[in-house]
Amino acid sequence: GAVVSQHPSRVICKSGTSVKIECRSLDFQATTMFWYRQFPKQSLMLMATSNEGSKATYEQGVEKDKFLINHASLTLSTLTVTSAHPEDSSFYICSARKGLYNEQFFGPGTRLTVL
Amino acid sequence: GEDVEQSLFLSVREGDSSVINCTYTDSSSTYLYWYKQEPGAGLQLLTYIFSNMDMKQDQRLTVLLNKKDKHLSLRIADTQTGDSAIYFCAERGGSQGNLIFGKGTKLSVKP
Repeated sequence: GAVVSQHPSRVICKSGTSVKIECRSLDFQATTMFWYRQFPKQSLMLMATSNEGSKATYEQGVEKDKFLINHASLTLSTLTVTSAHPEDSSFYICSARKGLYNEQFFGPGTRLTVL
Repeated sequence: GEDVEQSLFLSVREGDSSVINCTYTDSSSTYLYWYKQEPGAGLQLLTYIFSNMDMKQDQRLTVLLNKKDKHLSLRIADTQTGDSAIYFCAERGGSQGNLIFGKGTKLSVKP
């Protein structure tokens, strides 16, 4: 199967600090990775699409300067939440697209709590 | 716009069949997916169906697709307590080929 990891799984930080979340495809190359955000008891909302070697494409309403995405290689994408605030507390999930059939494999998620 | 709707809750007894329903709006969707999310965890791809298929079976899982009505269902036979989770229906959509998710159906299995 295809495995996607995320690190860290949980992070608690103080308001105003920055947090970096890594998403890795462990056994396949992913030309496209997606970053989703999930609020409690809600569905996943796409934040941005990350293509290797190019700038990320952000969804409407997502601040690109606040959520910095870097897709440095075919197996790694990072999301940095800059100057985090309590309202940024959420569950962040990445997915990596494999193959022609748009199969997306999801990471286990990162729980961010901003105090 | 694209939208995916699901009922929010389903409760069944262990051993019964569970049927989770989903409706979608984008008739051009080529693939439709079912994902499972256990508490505090990421999403696990359960199965997917191509839009030119009516049915797909995979062990205890049966997916039915009614393209005319844009209705998708997931049937879990012989439901077990380990099947308790939130099940998300998703369609391929968006300009980036991302998935559009429903809000998820929380399946509770009673012993």
